[in-house]
Amino acid sequence: DAGVIQSPRHEVTEMGQEVTLRCKPISGHNSLFWYRQTMMRGLELLIYFNNNVPIDDSGMPEDRFSAKMPNASFSTLKIQPSEPRDSAVYFCASTLFGSGNTIYFGEGSWLTVV
Amino acid sequence: DAKTTQPPSMDCAEGRAANLPCNHSTISGNEYVYWYRQIHSQGPQYIIHGLKNNETNEMASLIITEDRKSSTLILPHATLRDTAVYYCIAPNTGTASKLTFGTGTRLQVTL
Repeated sequence: DAGVIQSPRHEVTEMGQEVTLRCKPISGHNSLFWYRQTMMRGLELLIYFNNNVPIDDSGMPEDRFSAKMPNASFSTLKIQPSEPRDSAVYFCASTLFGSGNTIYFGEGSWLTVV
Repeated sequence: DAKTTQPPSMDCAEGRAANLPCNHSTISGNEYVYWYRQIHSQGPQYIIHGLKNNETNEMASLIITEDRKSSTLILPHATLRDTAVYYCIAPNTGTASKLTFGTGTRLQVTL
């Protein structure tokens, strides 16, 4: 299995630009998560989906952030407009809900907003 | 989620067993204990989980006390590649897929 695939792996963008991070979960998994990691705040859950439906987005920091999951094999996390404080590593993860809940993480997207 | 408490850092000599403790005194009867680790610059990786019985897999062993208020993750023969941050998590039943990561224990394995 290819695992959770994220793109881009690294992105540097200017403040005010739109950023789109992409995720392909493991085939057959029905839950998908977006996490953000910074030195100051550690790993934070932003949002998670079950069967393509957003279940809990209480971790999304503000309206500049949005996430979609149009189908079972693809999700996006969008930041518009981006700000320097959004610089972080963004992880996508997936699991088969009810299977013991082992969550598999991607390698992350390293975002720098200058 | 049940609150978990872990030491911020530990050292272990290569080849020796690494014993990482976790306190979860508020855990309820049907909440599992999960362990993940994060090697530098990588995504977190699942290690093991358990409810009340001790568990072992190819990566580690998990010892849970009889009262379930604490547990210990054991890496039987630590190697340099085990240097990582180790997270102990006890998620609410029903939202067990929603993991909340604390600050974990930074394990440094040395020669």
